[in-house]
Amino acid sequence: DIQVTQSPSPLSASIGDRVTITCRASQSISTYLNWYQQKPGEGPKLLIYGASSLQGGVPSRFSGSGSGTDFTLTISSLQPDDSATYYCQQSYGKPYTFGQGTMLEI
Amino acid sequence: EVQLVESGGGLVKPGGSLRLSCVASGFTFSDYSMNWVRQAPGKGLEWVSSITSSSTYTYYADSVKGRFTVSRDNAKNSLYLQMNSLRVEDTAIYYCASLLTAAGPFEYWGQGTLVTVSS
Repeated sequence: DIQVTQSPSPLSASIGDRVTITCRASQSISTYLNWYQQKPGEGPKLLIYGASSLQGGVPSRFSGSGSGTDFTLTISSLQPDDSATYYCQQSYGKPYTFGQGTMLEI
Repeated sequence: EVQLVESGGGLVKPGGSLRLSCVASGFTFSDYSMNWVRQAPGKGLEWVSSITSSSTYTYYADSVKGRFTVSRDNAKNSLYLQMNSLRVEDTAIYYCASLLTAAGPFEYWGQGTLVTVSS
């Protein structure tokens, strides 16, 4: 199975900060890496797919980069609504696996 | 508006069975593979099972293989998960999620249904 490791967790930042969350896969997964945001009591919401493509309706302050084994999710200017837990997920092969999550506190 | 609505969760004793349902609307259900993803209380996300658009192929995590069965009814825009021989460690919120291509993201998610396995 492909292991996916996220860091840091938790993460504390302030409004307006630039925030970066990293995700590392145990083997090369090309760009088959997706990012989700989850708020308490809700299902996850897709933010970024294919490592760097922004899902429709997602604010442009979110961006993703990387390929192979190392990936990043960046929030360019943190907003109050960004308080959530963020997960990366590899879709290179089954079983699909998720990172352990990064709880972002503002 | 896309909606995925899960139901069927509840409290069940170890060794018992439960059937979850997920009803979809707002997108062409029959075009998508569908998945179950679960989240134990206070924990991360774990993929459980996947079924292709025409039910040709099904896939399972090792942790549920032989105990859970995924199925779908495209005429009813519905996805199901039959869970047998339930264990305490199956306690989780179960989400259904759509997948347009095998290597794509989980595009749409439901709000989840809670399954509690306890004596």
